[in-house]
Amino acid sequence: EPEVTQTPSHQVTQMGQEVILRCVPISNHLYFYWYRQILGQKVEFLVSFYNNEISEKSEIFDDQFSVERPDGSNFTLKIRSTKLEDSAMYFCASSEFVVSMAFFGQGTRLTVV
Amino acid sequence: GESVGLHLPTLSVQEGDNSIINCAYSNSASDYFIWYKQESGKGPQFIIDIRSNMDKRQGQRVTVLLNKTVKHLSLQIAATQPGDSAVYFCAEKIGNAGNMLTFGGGTRLMVKP
Repeated sequence: EPEVTQTPSHQVTQMGQEVILRCVPISNHLYFYWYRQILGQKVEFLVSFYNNEISEKSEIFDDQFSVERPDGSNFTLKIRSTKLEDSAMYFCASSEFVVSMAFFGQGTRLTVV
Repeated sequence: GESVGLHLPTLSVQEGDNSIINCAYSNSASDYFIWYKQESGKGPQFIIDIRSNMDKRQGQRVTVLLNKTVKHLSLQIAATQPGDSAVYFCAEKIGNAGNMLTFGGGTRLMVKP
C-alpha cells in the first residue's frame, strides 16, 4: 500500500539552528501538507502546497517556515532559527484531490533544546 | 517548562461491544469531514470520510453519521477489537477555507479484553 514517508523520525536541534524535515508524498498525489502536533495537543494545520506553490497557510506558518519541492518526489519543511516552542511532531500529508482522503506520514519528532 | 496538554475524553469499552465516538463542530460552512485514528507515536490514519450532502456513510465495521442541524458527527465502530484502541480525531474542511483540515481535540478509545 502506498504511504507517505518522513525522515528523520526524530530530530534534536539546538535553539537557533535551522532544520529541514523531509517527506516523500504518495507518488500520484498532487496536494501536499504539513501539520504539527505539540505533545498532548490537537493536530494543527501549517501549510498546503499545490502546483509548486503555497496554496494556503495558517498563522503558525510565519516567516520562520518555508516549504519546497526540490525535485519530483520530495517535499520539505524548513524551520529557520528554531525556538523551544517549535518542539512538536511534524506530519506531512498528501492527497490526490483537494483535502480528500489526506494520508499522513508517521511524523518527525522535533525536539529543540 | 512543562506544557499542559488537552485532557482527552476517554471511552472505555469491552471487546466485542460497539463504540460510539462523538464530535461537535462549530462551523456550518464545513462541507467535508474525516475521522482519523492515531496510535501512540504514529501519524493520523484515515478511517472514513463523509461529505456534507450525506448523513450516513458505512465502511468496514465503521459508520459515520452526520447531523448538520446540530453540527454533530459520530463514529460508530462495530464489534470493537483491542487493535481499535487509539485516539480518534474528527477533522473538518470549511467550505470557503481552501484545503486545510481543522482537527478536533480527540477521544481516547480503550478496549478491554
